[in-house]
Amino acid sequence: NAGVMQNPRHLVRRRGQEARLRCSPMKGHSHVYWYRQLPEEGLKFMVYLQKENIIDESGMPKERFSAEFPKEGPSILRIQQVVRGDSAAYFCASSPPVLRRVTNTEAFFGQGTRLTVV
Amino acid sequence: KQEVTQIPAALSVPEGENLVLNCSFTDSAIYNLQWFRQDPGKGLTSLLLIQSSQREQTSGRLNASLDKSSGRSTLYIAASQPGDSATYLCAVPTGTASKLTFGTGTRLQVTL
Repeated sequence: NAGVMQNPRHLVRRRGQEARLRCSPMKGHSHVYWYRQLPEEGLKFMVYLQKENIIDESGMPKERFSAEFPKEGPSILRIQQVVRGDSAAYFCASSPPVLRRVTNTEAFFGQGTRLTVV
Repeated sequence: KQEVTQIPAALSVPEGENLVLNCSFTDSAIYNLQWFRQDPGKGLTSLLLIQSSQREQTSGRLNASLDKSSGRSTLYIAASQPGDSATYLCAVPTGTASKLTFGTGTRLQVTL
């Protein structure tokens, strides 16, 4: 049972380009979470998705950032027209299906994608 | 709004020492608390998950305690080794499922 897979591990983009970060959850997990870790800062929640649905995007910047989790394939975090301030490590986590509204599931993290904007 | 604080921010100890890392949170209505380890330039490794109904959880040389009423958790590392050098993060779920609020971490250096 492979863990959470993120690719690429490292991504370099010039200012103004688009960045696409991919996340494949653990087998059997249908919930995906994206977090961002800016240099010398803690991890901050960005967005929570289930298959074909965005459940909570309260941590997403209002512009240039979008996320999807299609029925087939990995979750994608897309950053349009990247700027230097987008340079960070982006982590994806997955968890099993929620059977009740209140749950105690454990989150499993991928190795992250380190985005550098030059 | 949940806020998670970790003290100390950095810690350097000689090999073999027992040490305690602290985590505090402002909203005690949590379902669980999770401790992670992060090595430089790497991802997060889950160390321990304590459910809200538990007071302690142990894994090898690691022991985590949880006191919900006071909003605190501690991670105890026994007989520290250089391989324990890393940043240790605590996190609590906020609202939905596994949406986590992280502390700022404790950077641990274990010296020979």
